[in-house]
Amino acid sequence: GENVEQHPSTLSVQEGDSAVIKCTYSDSASNYFPWYKQELGKRPQLIIDIRSNVGEKKDQRIAVTLNKTAKHFSLHITETQPEDSAVYFCAAIPHDYKLSFGAGTTVTVRA
Amino acid sequence: EPEVTQTPSHQVTQMGQEVILRCVPISNHLYFYWYRQILGQKVEFLVSFYNNEISEKSEIFDDQFSVERPDGSNFTLKIRSTKLEDSAMYFCASRSGANVLTFGAGSRLTVL
Repeated sequence: GENVEQHPSTLSVQEGDSAVIKCTYSDSASNYFPWYKQELGKRPQLIIDIRSNVGEKKDQRIAVTLNKTAKHFSLHITETQPEDSAVYFCAAIPHDYKLSFGAGTTVTVRA
Repeated sequence: EPEVTQTPSHQVTQMGQEVILRCVPISNHLYFYWYRQILGQKVEFLVSFYNNEISEKSEIFDDQFSVERPDGSNFTLKIRSTKLEDSAMYFCASRSGANVLTFGAGSRLTVL
């Protein structure tokens, strides 16, 4: 099955700085890569996703890049704000649609 | 915006008791999932369900677990004899033919 590795496990940034979270996956057949934000005690919420036919996607302060050759993808948050503090999970969906999550990154934005 | 609805939001049970967690997926979705998240850990896949049968299950989903779609709207997860280690947040999710997965708010299970 798919194995998703996510780094770092914790990330502390100053408000206004950028945050970058990196993930690698194992199944070359995976073709869909969503990112979820989870606030304490709440459900994971999809914030951005990318499909395998695209190298980069941006939505306001959030961007995701995908390198299919190297089997890694990254989340970039620019101009971080306190409300960006949360746990972020990357995920990959292989051919069997069994979404596999990374271990999560706890992002803390310091005011 | 359509939502996946889960009940109960929190259930406390004694070890060895049976628990049923309920989910109402988004109405036009075809694929249903249960995930588990132990406090402070990542979200783990339990089982996927399509066309009224299990399509995939993880090693966590042993004989103590079962899923059912008893009618056209509900999707349930049953744990027959709960153990302490079953304490977790259980998320139901659904999707249409596209990849985007929508999660419910979760059911927190506490086994004493």
